[in-house]
Amino acid sequence: KQEVTQIPAALSVPEGENLVLNCSFTDSAIYNLQWFRQDPGKGLTSLLLIQSSQREQTSGRLNASLDKSSGRSTLYIAASQPGDSATYLCAVDSGGYQKVTFGTGTKLQVIP
Amino acid sequence: GAVVSQHPSRVICKSGTSVKIECRSLDFQATTMFWYRQFPKKSLMLMATSNEGSKATYEQGVEKDKFLINHASLTLSTLTVTSAHPEDSSFYICSARRGDTQYFGPGTRLTVL
Repeated sequence: KQEVTQIPAALSVPEGENLVLNCSFTDSAIYNLQWFRQDPGKGLTSLLLIQSSQREQTSGRLNASLDKSSGRSTLYIAASQPGDSATYLCAVDSGGYQKVTFGTGTKLQVIP
Repeated sequence: GAVVSQHPSRVICKSGTSVKIECRSLDFQATTMFWYRQFPKKSLMLMATSNEGSKATYEQGVEKDKFLINHASLTLSTLTVTSAHPEDSSFYICSARRGDTQYFGPGTRLTVL
C-alpha cells in the first residue's frame, strides 16, 4: 500500500526566499508524480507532472525533482511571492487501475 | 494536455436533497474515472472507481447507496450524493486516466445546509 508523506505540514517564509517542499513515498514502483496547488476553498491546479523516467521538470520559478529509488520528490520555489501562498499537494500515481495517493499537503505562507 | 472538467464548481443545497456532480473528459475517452473526496485537514481519499458500462467499485467504508456513480459514456461520469446531510459537505474531485497518467478535474465544493 502506497503511503505519501509531506514535510513540513506548514511553512512560513519571507517574500523573496527560495524554498523546498518535500514529498516522500513508500513504494518506488510509480508511473508518475504530480505536484498540485490548492488555494483556500478552491480546486486543484496541476503545477508539474514528472514521469517515472524523468528526474525533474521545470515551469517558471518552479522545479520539481524525482528520485524513485529513494522514494522522494522535492518542489523548489525560487524567489517566493505572496501569491505563492497556498497548500501544495503531491500525488503519486502507481498506474493501471490503481488509485493516485495524495500527501496531506504543505501549507505555505509567504509574508510580504 | 488532456482536460477534465467538473460541473458545478460549487453547490449549496438543503439537507435531504440530492446533488449531481458531472465529470467530463473533454478531449479523450476514458473507460475508467475516479472519484475522490477531501476531508478537512486531510488528504484526498479515493471514494470509488467508475467503470464505463459497468458498476462502480467502491472503497471500503463508502456507502454505495448514498454516493451513486454512473459512467454512462466514455466521456462522462456522474456522482450523485443522495439525501445529502451536512456531514457530506466536502470537496469532491474526479480524475480520468489517459494512458499512464491520471488527469484531474478542478473539483466541486459541496455545502449542505
